[in-house]
Amino acid sequence: GAVVSQHPSRVICKSGTSVKIECRSLDFQATTMFWYRQFPKQSLMLMATSNEGSKATYEQGVEKDKFLINHASLTLSTLTVTSAHPEDSSFYICSAPTEATQYFGPGTRLLVL
Amino acid sequence: GENVEQHPSTLSVQEGDSAVIKCTYSDSASNYFPWYKQELGKRPQLIIDIRSNVGEKKDQRIAVTLNKTAKHFSLHITETQPEDSAVYFCAASRRRQGGNQFYFGTGTSLTVIP
Repeated sequence: GAVVSQHPSRVICKSGTSVKIECRSLDFQATTMFWYRQFPKQSLMLMATSNEGSKATYEQGVEKDKFLINHASLTLSTLTVTSAHPEDSSFYICSAPTEATQYFGPGTRLLVL
Repeated sequence: GENVEQHPSTLSVQEGDSAVIKCTYSDSASNYFPWYKQELGKRPQLIIDIRSNVGEKKDQRIAVTLNKTAKHFSLHITETQPEDSAVYFCAASRRRQGGNQFYFGTGTSLTVIP
């Protein structure tokens, strides 16, 4: 299947700092990518849809100024958690769709101290 | 929008027994139903999927059934093994420009007891 990479795999930061997470489709182009958040023992919650060349579409309740998304190219989307707080600590996963299905990145575990 | 419900939330079976996980969806326009297996701290891995023009699909010990009329689909794992222990998610989606948007169930934590 298609390959999606995500970087970094884990990050620890201080409260108030910003953290950038990259999601790349390695062997296919993706005009759309999805960003999910997952709390322990819970399901994947769609945060936003990243659209190449246009603004991201955010799900209800997700602060667009808090979670900045930039889809810079057909193979790269970035999620920046701005002014991170401990409650932002979570597992963040991106995915990229093909015609057939979606492929997930390996996830980024964010811990905000 | 779409609403996907998944049951049970936890499931324990003896090794060699079968496991069944059920999902329902609300949007009759949904036409693609994948199942994912997620091990702790790892990405969800697609294990099987089914499209709305098919009622059943099987891949070795894993099968999925779809009832479009009732809007439910199920995952069946036969001859379970300890390595099948993981969290399983169902999803429903329909094709949109740019790619399918998935709506996930709440997950089932499967434990296979040796």
